[in-house]
Amino acid sequence: QKEVEQNSGPLSVPEGAIASLNCTYSDRGSQSFFWYRQYSGKSPELIMSIYSNGDKEDGRFTAQLNKASQYVSLLIRDSQPSDSATYLCAVNILKASGTYKYIFGTGTRLKVLA
Amino acid sequence: DVKVTQSSRYLVKRTGEKVFLECVQDMDHENMFWYRQDPGLGLRLIYFSYDVKMKEKGDIPEGYSVSREKKERFSLILESTSTNQTSMYLCASSGGLAGGGYNEQFFGPGTRLTVL
Repeated sequence: QKEVEQNSGPLSVPEGAIASLNCTYSDRGSQSFFWYRQYSGKSPELIMSIYSNGDKEDGRFTAQLNKASQYVSLLIRDSQPSDSATYLCAVNILKASGTYKYIFGTGTRLKVLA
Repeated sequence: DVKVTQSSRYLVKRTGEKVFLECVQDMDHENMFWYRQDPGLGLRLIYFSYDVKMKEKGDIPEGYSVSREKKERFSLILESTSTNQTSMYLCASSGGLAGGGYNEQFFGPGTRLTVL
Protein backbone atom coordinates (compact mmCIF):
# COMPACT_ATOMS: atom_id res chain seq x y z
CA GLN A 1 0.00 0.00 0.00
CA LYS A 2 1.34 3.40 -0.96
CA GLU A 3 1.83 5.83 1.89
CA VAL A 4 -0.14 8.56 0.11
CA GLU A 5 -2.61 7.61 -2.61
CA GLN A 6 -4.37 9.74 -5.16
CA ASN A 7 -6.37 8.90 -8.25
CA SER A 8 -4.21 9.93 -11.19
CA GLY A 9 -7.16 11.16 -13.25
CA PRO A 10 -7.67 13.03 -15.39
CA LEU A 11 -10.64 14.45 -13.56
CA SER A 12 -12.66 16.51 -16.01
CA VAL A 13 -15.19 19.07 -14.78
CA PRO A 14 -17.07 21.81 -16.63
CA GLU A 15 -16.25 25.43 -15.95
CA GLY A 16 -18.12 26.73 -12.91
CA ALA A 17 -18.56 23.27 -11.33
CA ILE A 18 -17.08 21.97 -8.09
CA ALA A 19 -13.97 19.84 -8.46
CA SER A 20 -13.39 17.29 -5.71
CA LEU A 21 -9.92 15.83 -5.26
CA ASN A 22 -9.24 13.06 -2.78
CA CYS A 23 -6.20 11.65 -1.02
CA THR A 24 -5.78 8.81 1.44
CA TYR A 25 -2.77 8.13 3.65
CA SER A 26 -1.63 5.07 5.54
CA ASP A 27 0.40 6.36 8.51
CA ARG A 28 -1.73 7.30 11.51
CA GLY A 29 1.22 9.32 12.80
CA SER A 30 0.70 11.85 10.01
CA GLN A 31 0.57 15.29 11.51
CA SER A 32 0.21 17.87 8.78
CA PHE A 33 -1.37 17.80 5.37
CA PHE A 34 -0.83 19.92 2.30
CA TRP A 35 -2.25 20.47 -1.16
CA TYR A 36 0.05 21.69 -3.91
CA ARG A 37 -0.80 22.70 -7.47
CA GLN A 38 1.63 21.98 -10.28
CA TYR A 39 1.19 23.36 -13.77
CA SER A 40 2.80 21.45 -16.61
CA GLY A 41 6.54 22.15 -16.73
CA LYS A 42 6.46 24.14 -13.49
CA SER A 43 7.29 23.34 -9.88
CA PRO A 44 4.67 22.69 -7.18
CA GLU A 45 3.20 25.62 -5.26
CA LEU A 46 1.25 25.42 -2.03
CA ILE A 47 -2.52 25.93 -2.14
CA MET A 48 -3.52 24.97 1.39
CA SER A 49 -2.36 23.28 4.54
CA ILE A 50 -4.55 21.65 7.19
CA TYR A 51 -3.62 20.17 10.54
CA SER A 52 -6.84 19.34 12.42
CA ASN A 53 -10.03 17.51 11.59
CA GLY A 54 -12.69 19.43 9.75
CA ASP A 55 -12.83 21.97 6.97
CA LYS A 56 -10.55 24.87 6.15
CA GLU A 57 -11.63 27.41 3.57
CA ASP A 58 -9.53 29.85 1.56
CA GLY A 59 -11.34 31.64 -1.23
CA ARG A 60 -12.60 29.07 -3.74
CA PHE A 61 -10.63 26.27 -2.06
CA THR A 62 -11.73 24.10 0.86
CA ALA A 63 -9.54 21.44 2.41
CA GLN A 64 -11.19 18.70 4.44
CA LEU A 65 -9.40 16.39 6.86
CA ASN A 66 -10.72 13.22 8.47
CA LYS A 67 -8.00 11.57 10.55
CA ALA A 68 -10.20 8.67 11.65
CA SER A 69 -10.77 7.67 8.04
CA GLN A 70 -7.29 8.80 6.98
CA TYR A 71 -8.30 10.95 4.09
CA VAL A 72 -7.87 14.54 3.07
CA SER A 73 -9.71 16.22 0.23
CA LEU A 74 -9.65 19.46 -1.70
CA LEU A 75 -12.74 21.11 -3.11
CA ILE A 76 -12.45 23.79 -5.77
CA ARG A 77 -15.62 25.81 -6.21
CA ASP A 78 -16.48 27.69 -9.40
CA SER A 79 -13.71 25.85 -11.27
CA GLN A 80 -11.92 27.86 -13.94
CA PRO A 81 -9.85 26.69 -16.93
CA SER A 82 -6.85 28.21 -15.14
CA ASP A 83 -7.33 25.60 -12.40
CA SER A 84 -6.33 22.89 -14.89
CA ALA A 85 -3.19 21.41 -13.36
CA THR A 86 -1.94 18.44 -11.37
CA TYR A 87 -2.80 18.58 -7.67
CA LEU A 88 -0.39 16.93 -5.26
CA CYS A 89 -1.35 15.80 -1.79
CA ALA A 90 1.47 15.78 0.77
CA VAL A 91 1.64 14.43 4.29
CA ASN A 92 4.25 15.10 6.98
CA ILE A 93 5.00 12.26 9.37
CA LEU A 94 7.09 12.37 12.55
CA LYS A 95 9.50 9.46 12.37
CA ALA A 96 10.92 7.48 15.31
CA SER A 97 14.27 9.19 14.66
CA GLY A 98 12.71 12.52 15.58
CA THR A 99 12.85 13.97 12.08
CA TYR A 100 9.88 14.57 9.85
CA LYS A 101 9.27 12.81 6.58
CA TYR A 102 7.37 14.64 3.88
CA ILE A 103 5.58 12.28 1.51
CA PHE A 104 3.90 13.29 -1.73
CA GLY A 105 1.18 11.50 -3.63
CA THR A 106 1.63 11.08 -7.37
CA GLY A 107 -1.01 13.71 -8.08
CA THR A 108 -4.41 14.02 -9.71
CA ARG A 109 -4.63 15.77 -13.06
CA LEU A 110 -7.57 18.15 -13.21
CA LYS A 111 -9.02 19.44 -16.48
CA VAL A 112 -11.57 22.22 -16.36
CA LEU A 113 -13.50 22.38 -19.61
CA ALA A 114 -14.54 25.81 -20.91
CA ASP B 1 8.93 37.43 -1.76
CA VAL B 2 10.32 34.00 -0.85
CA LYS B 3 12.70 32.48 -3.28
CA VAL B 4 14.41 29.19 -4.05
CA THR B 5 16.72 29.28 -7.05
CA GLN B 6 18.44 26.48 -8.92
CA SER B 7 21.63 26.86 -10.91
CA SER B 8 20.32 25.55 -14.24
CA ARG B 9 16.92 25.05 -15.89
CA TYR B 10 18.14 22.59 -18.51
CA LEU B 11 21.24 20.40 -18.66
CA VAL B 12 22.38 17.84 -21.20
CA LYS B 13 25.20 15.53 -20.19
CA ARG B 14 26.84 12.41 -21.53
CA THR B 15 26.98 9.15 -19.59
CA GLY B 16 29.77 9.17 -17.05
CA GLU B 17 30.04 12.93 -16.71
CA LYS B 18 29.85 14.64 -13.31
CA VAL B 19 26.92 16.93 -12.60
CA PHE B 20 26.70 19.51 -9.87
CA LEU B 21 23.27 21.03 -9.16
CA GLU B 22 23.10 23.94 -6.78
CA CYS B 23 20.13 25.27 -4.87
CA VAL B 24 19.98 28.54 -2.95
CA GLN B 25 17.20 29.80 -0.67
CA ASP B 26 16.84 33.26 0.81
CA MET B 27 14.35 32.44 3.58
CA ASP B 28 16.82 31.38 6.29
CA HIS B 29 15.21 27.94 6.29
CA GLU B 30 16.73 25.11 8.29
CA ASN B 31 15.57 22.33 5.97
CA MET B 32 16.43 21.75 2.34
CA PHE B 33 15.46 18.89 0.08
CA TRP B 34 16.34 17.35 -3.27
CA TYR B 35 13.69 15.45 -5.23
CA ARG B 36 13.44 13.93 -8.63
CA GLN B 37 10.13 13.84 -10.45
CA ASP B 38 9.30 11.31 -13.12
CA PRO B 39 5.98 10.67 -14.90
CA GLY B 40 3.84 8.20 -12.98
CA LEU B 41 6.27 8.07 -10.06
CA GLY B 42 5.65 11.48 -8.55
CA LEU B 43 8.14 13.29 -6.35
CA ARG B 44 10.76 11.05 -4.82
CA LEU B 45 13.09 12.28 -2.10
CA ILE B 46 16.80 11.84 -2.81
CA TYR B 47 18.34 13.56 0.23
CA PHE B 48 17.44 16.18 2.72
CA SER B 49 19.34 18.35 5.16
CA TYR B 50 17.95 19.78 8.39
CA ASP B 51 21.03 21.75 9.35
CA VAL B 52 24.36 22.86 7.97
CA LYS B 53 26.62 19.85 7.35
CA MET B 54 23.77 17.51 8.32
CA LYS B 55 22.16 15.22 5.75
CA GLU B 56 19.81 12.32 5.72
CA LYS B 57 19.12 9.82 2.93
CA GLY B 58 15.76 9.86 1.29
CA ASP B 59 14.08 7.06 -0.62
CA ILE B 60 16.43 6.93 -3.61
CA PRO B 61 19.94 8.11 -2.60
CA GLU B 62 21.88 5.64 -4.76
CA GLY B 63 24.03 7.39 -7.33
CA TYR B 64 23.74 10.78 -5.62
CA SER B 65 25.54 12.72 -2.93
CA VAL B 66 24.88 16.11 -1.35
CA SER B 67 26.71 18.92 0.32
CA ARG B 68 25.51 21.67 2.65
CA GLU B 69 28.34 23.92 3.77
CA LYS B 70 26.21 27.02 4.25
CA LYS B 71 22.65 27.33 5.50
CA GLU B 72 21.30 28.87 2.30
CA ARG B 73 22.94 26.46 -0.14
CA PHE B 74 22.32 22.75 -0.81
CA SER B 75 24.08 20.96 -3.64
CA LEU B 76 23.27 17.70 -5.36
CA ILE B 77 26.15 15.83 -6.97
CA LEU B 78 25.93 13.09 -9.57
CA GLU B 79 29.48 11.72 -9.66
CA SER B 80 29.05 9.63 -12.81
CA THR B 81 25.77 10.11 -14.63
CA SER B 82 23.78 7.31 -16.20
CA THR B 83 20.81 7.45 -18.56
CA ASN B 84 18.40 6.41 -15.79
CA GLN B 85 19.19 9.68 -14.04
CA THR B 86 17.43 11.61 -16.78
CA SER B 87 14.72 13.43 -14.85
CA MET B 88 13.39 16.68 -13.46
CA TYR B 89 15.27 17.64 -10.29
CA LEU B 90 13.51 19.85 -7.80
CA CYS B 91 14.99 21.56 -4.78
CA ALA B 92 12.81 22.69 -1.88
CA SER B 93 13.23 24.35 1.50
CA SER B 94 11.13 24.67 4.61
CA GLY B 95 11.31 26.26 8.02
CA GLY B 96 10.86 24.46 11.30
CA LEU B 97 13.02 21.86 12.95
CA ALA B 98 14.16 18.43 11.82
CA GLY B 99 12.51 18.16 8.45
CA GLY B 100 9.78 20.73 8.61
CA GLY B 101 7.04 19.70 10.98
CA TYR B 102 4.01 21.81 10.19
CA ASN B 103 5.77 23.95 7.63
CA GLU B 104 5.17 23.97 3.90
CA GLN B 105 7.89 23.40 1.38
CA PHE B 106 8.88 26.04 -1.15
CA PHE B 107 10.16 24.74 -4.45
CA GLY B 108 12.72 26.01 -6.91
CA PRO B 109 11.93 26.10 -10.64
CA GLY B 110 13.54 22.71 -11.30
CA THR B 111 16.39 21.45 -13.48
CA ARG B 112 15.56 19.15 -16.36
CA LEU B 113 18.57 16.88 -16.77
CA THR B 114 19.01 14.73 -19.85
CA VAL B 115 21.77 12.12 -19.85
CA LEU B 116 22.68 10.80 -23.31
